[in-house]
This record gives sequence, C-alpha cells and structure tokens, in this order.
Amino acid sequence: DAGVIQSPRHEVTEMGQEVTLRCKPISGHDYLFWYRQTMMRGLELLIYFNNNVPIDDSGMPEDRFSAKMPNASFSTLKIQPSEPRDSAVYFCASSPSGGRDTDTQYFGPGTRLTVL
Amino acid sequence: TQLLEQSPQFLSIQEGENLTVYCNSSSVFSSLQWYRQEPGEGPVLLVTVVTGGEVKKLKRLTFQFGDARKDSSLHITAAQPGDTGLYLCAGKGAGNNRKLIWGLGTSLAVNP
Repeated sequence: DAGVIQSPRHEVTEMGQEVTLRCKPISGHDYLFWYRQTMMRGLELLIYFNNNVPIDDSGMPEDRFSAKMPNASFSTLKIQPSEPRDSAVYFCASSPSGGRDTDTQYFGPGTRLTVL
Repeated sequence: TQLLEQSPQFLSIQEGENLTVYCNSSSVFSSLQWYRQEPGEGPVLLVTVVTGGEVKKLKRLTFQFGDARKDSSLHITAAQPGDTGLYLCAGKGAGNNRKLIWGLGTSLAVNP
C-alpha cells in the first residue's frame, strides 16, 4: 500500500508569496496531522483533523497559516504571505481510528520549504 | 504545558559500542512512543510502551517505560552504522486526544 504522499518535496519561494503544501493520507486512516520541524523547536504539531474536521489547531502559528481537508484523501496547508521564519520541513502524518496501531502516526517524506 | 526532555542531544560512537538515550518528563503519559527518523524522511515508529515498568525488545534495541509513566529509555546494544538517525520520543496524554507531545530528539551517529 502507498504511504502518506506529500507534494512538493522541495519548495523555494520569496517572502510574501503564497505557498500551498499538499498531502494524501493513507487510505482508510481517519486522522491527519500537519507538523513543522526545525532544529531549534523540533517537531511541532500545527493542526490535526478527524474525519476531515479540524480538532485541534492550537499549534497554528498565526492567521497566515490555514489548513483544509475537503475530503478523506486530500489536505492542504497554506501559508499566505510567507516569511523567512516559515522555512522548515513540513510533515503530514495519518493514523487509523482503530486497531492495534491506532495511536501510530505514519509520516510522509516531508516538504522542505525555504522562504528567501 | 507538558514537555519531554531527551538526552543526550547528540551522540557519536563507534560501531559495536552500547548506548542509552533518555526521555524524561514531569507529566504522566498514558503511552509513550519511540520513532526513528533518517535524513530526508519522516519519523517511523519503533515501539509503543503502555504499562509502567514495561520493557520491550526489538532486536538489539531495548525500550523501558518508567514505573510512574513519566520517563523512558532506549538502550542499543552493539550499535551498527544502520542505527544512525534521529531518535524521537513522543508521549500521549489520557483520553481521546490524539495529540502527541514530542521530545527534540537524540541525533545518533554510529561510525564504522
């Protein structure tokens, strides 16, 4: 089975531009998580969804960040306008709602974002 | 705010050596997970410990959950270059909240 798919893998943009990151979770997984990883702050949860509904968005840095999950197989994380301090690796992860690995989070390969 | 502190932050050893990394908190967790992350990839789950005092083994890796469920350790015996990576611990609180509290990780380099 395919794992979590993220696109693009790398994004370089200029300050002020809009950035859209995309994620396709593992089929059948009901939970989807967006993380940001930096050397200084480690892995930070931005937001997570259950059955396409946002459950906890307390980690979203500010209004410049928004996330949507229009259906069970697709989610986006948008930054508008982008700033240099947004440079990081952004991960998407998904998790099943039941079964023995119910709390396991399956991560995608990440999107490395550089804002100049 | 729940925090997980990992130590050491960096570790560089020779192939064949043993090592232990630690994950500590003042908070109680219902479960604790260990992930390994290789460069350019996302973290991958190694193990989940649930019961206080629980010990789990995965080949040369031994994981222990503290009796009070506030801390955990990962011991690697006879480390190999393939063990190189970032080791992350993540704790889950009680209830249905799926949010994990993550440590900053231990970056391990095993030199041949």
